[in-house]
Amino acid sequence: NAGVTQTPKFQVLKTGQSMTLQCAQDMNHEYMSWYRQDPGMGLRLIHYSVGAGITDQGEVPNGYNVSRSTTEDFPLRLLSAAPSQTSVYFCASSYRLGGTDYEQYFGPGTRLTVT
Amino acid sequence: DAKTTQPTSMDCAEGRAANLPCNHSTISGNEYVYWYRQIHSQGPQYIIHGLKNNETNEMASLIITEDRKSSTLILPHATLRDTAVYYCIVSPRSSNTGKLIFGQGTTLQVKP
Repeated sequence: NAGVTQTPKFQVLKTGQSMTLQCAQDMNHEYMSWYRQDPGMGLRLIHYSVGAGITDQGEVPNGYNVSRSTTEDFPLRLLSAAPSQTSVYFCASSYRLGGTDYEQYFGPGTRLTVT
Repeated sequence: DAKTTQPTSMDCAEGRAANLPCNHSTISGNEYVYWYRQIHSQGPQYIIHGLKNNETNEMASLIITEDRKSSTLILPHATLRDTAVYYCIVSPRSSNTGKLIFGQGTTLQVKP
């Protein structure tokens, strides 16, 4: 299993540009989440999904869109990048249907700089 | 979800036990205590979780007080590779739905 994969690893954007951060998991997990981590801070939840076609907002959703058309993929879209969105973005997944484990597995992160 | 309070930083000598405390005085009956750690800018890694009984796995032990208002994560023989930020998180389990609320965590420095 590759686990949770994220692409790209690094990205530099100019203010106003849009882009999509990719996240995929091969563990057949139902739940997927996006977090951001600013320097010296803990992670903050952006959006999450409890299954294909179902998404909801976390603590800091403004400026981001998500959709979940398949169980495996959960892309995060930045609509119009701002310097305040400079951060490290982590994707996570958890819970297999019929299972008893809810622990989250995290990807390696995407380091985004907006200039 | 209940909030947690952890010390900002701790040191531990290599080979000794590292005991990381966490206060969660507002924890409710259906909330579990989770511990994750983050090693230098990597994605967080799950360590252990518990409801009210003490738990042990290959990585660590979790001691939860009888009133469930606090807990301690124990790394029995800390190594340099255990240097990381440790997060204590309280959350319902079955309705967790992928939502974890991270605080600032405790930065553990294991020293030779």
